[in-house]
Amino acid sequence: DQQVKQNSPSLSVQEGRISILNCDYTNSMFDYFLWYKKYPAEGPTFLISISSIKDKNEDGRFTVFLNKSAKHLSLHIVPSQPGDSAVYFCAALMEYGNKLVFGAGTILRVKS
Amino acid sequence: DVKVTQSSRYLVKRTGEKVFLECVQDMDHENMFWYRQDPGLGLRLIYFSYDVKMKEKGDIPEGYSVSREKKERFSLILESASTNQTSMYLCASSIDRGRLFFGSGTQLSVL
Repeated sequence: DQQVKQNSPSLSVQEGRISILNCDYTNSMFDYFLWYKKYPAEGPTFLISISSIKDKNEDGRFTVFLNKSAKHLSLHIVPSQPGDSAVYFCAALMEYGNKLVFGAGTILRVKS
Repeated sequence: DVKVTQSSRYLVKRTGEKVFLECVQDMDHENMFWYRQDPGLGLRLIYFSYDVKMKEKGDIPEGYSVSREKKERFSLILESASTNQTSMYLCASSIDRGRLFFGSGTQLSVL
């Protein structure tokens, strides 16, 4: 049973437009959420995170939104660039836990 | 610069072989992890270690074991490789909650 779900396997966006990647979770004990980006033949790299006490966190072109009541988070990339083309993984962590639970990933393609 | 090094990028093994995947980190991190990545399933945790000689099972430990004799090195062992263990294996280390540093991965094929 997947506790973290990324229901869109892929997303295609035009350069300069907004990319929105979505993630849903089922376990209300998760209190910290992260996004990782993965290029082919490389390991995932940390992108941005958000604590459950916040509903938004911004870092440059990347913003993560958290809706706890809906158990939903989203990653916004504005403006999207071709170099953003990668697989994006959503991940969640429980309070006092150190085991990250990952979603299945979404492949983002940014077309120039 | 942070570095997690996995000993092999590609490995091809036969069913029944014992397989060792090695991982070394140079950041003095206490926590180290082994994940496997499969299409449609994301990253699944096999084992992790929070200190030398300490280990804990992740979500899919069956068929695997680990060894952590030194802080910087975390090894994943497939006792008797099977075809369903064909996968991309990713090692990671961390010091902060959830903030993992990954190696480049080992693509293992078991024939």
